[in-house]
Amino acid sequence: EAQVTQNPRYLITVTGKKLTVTCSQNMNHEYMSWYRQDPGLGLRQIYYSMNVEVTDKGDVPEGYKVSRKEKRNFPLILESPSPNQTSLYFCASSPTAGHIVSNTGELFFGEGSRLTVL
Amino acid sequence: SQKIEQNSEALNIQEGKTATLTCNYTNYSPAYLQWYRQDPGRGPVFLLLIRENEKEKRKERLKVTFDTTLKQSLFHITASQPADSATYLCALRFQKLVFGTGTRLLVSP
Repeated sequence: EAQVTQNPRYLITVTGKKLTVTCSQNMNHEYMSWYRQDPGLGLRQIYYSMNVEVTDKGDVPEGYKVSRKEKRNFPLILESPSPNQTSLYFCASSPTAGHIVSNTGELFFGEGSRLTVL
Repeated sequence: SQKIEQNSEALNIQEGKTATLTCNYTNYSPAYLQWYRQDPGRGPVFLLLIRENEKEKRKERLKVTFDTTLKQSLFHITASQPADSATYLCALRFQKLVFGTGTRLLVSP
């Protein structure tokens, strides 16, 4: 089954304790992205990757890191989490970056990871 | 900067009626516009895409219109069912994809 898998789905942690949210897709997609979703603010892009070893900042990258060593995996790293990073996080993938006119740019989302930082 | 507006108030309608959701934007027109459905605690799911040179797109009970003069897209669900209850997000492709905050639809039996 084609899917984007995130882990963990739920996590409560404390300020400063490094954590990683994993994301894996089995569709051989080139493009992957991380979003956070907060009430009233919608989905905001944290980081994205156009392909292996190519990553770039989105709109809200502060406090986060990513890596793209393999095509299927795109982990999100919070080196020193703070309470303002409490949010619902989504990983998404797409066949390409969507800038090609013929491509729909459809994003396939994971189920989400709800993170609470105390 | 680009601004996308979706009605933050929930839309309540009766089963069988047509639900119409609005997505307005400012400044430049996007290359295309997408609509997603999001259920509570789940990731958004892609529904439809409409390009800037298209006026209307249909898929089963769904219809999307795109008016670049009004800078608006309308999303219609005909013969709505309680199972259509969800939050619907519009996303606009400018230099990158930008999401609206979504409108919650509640369809009562």
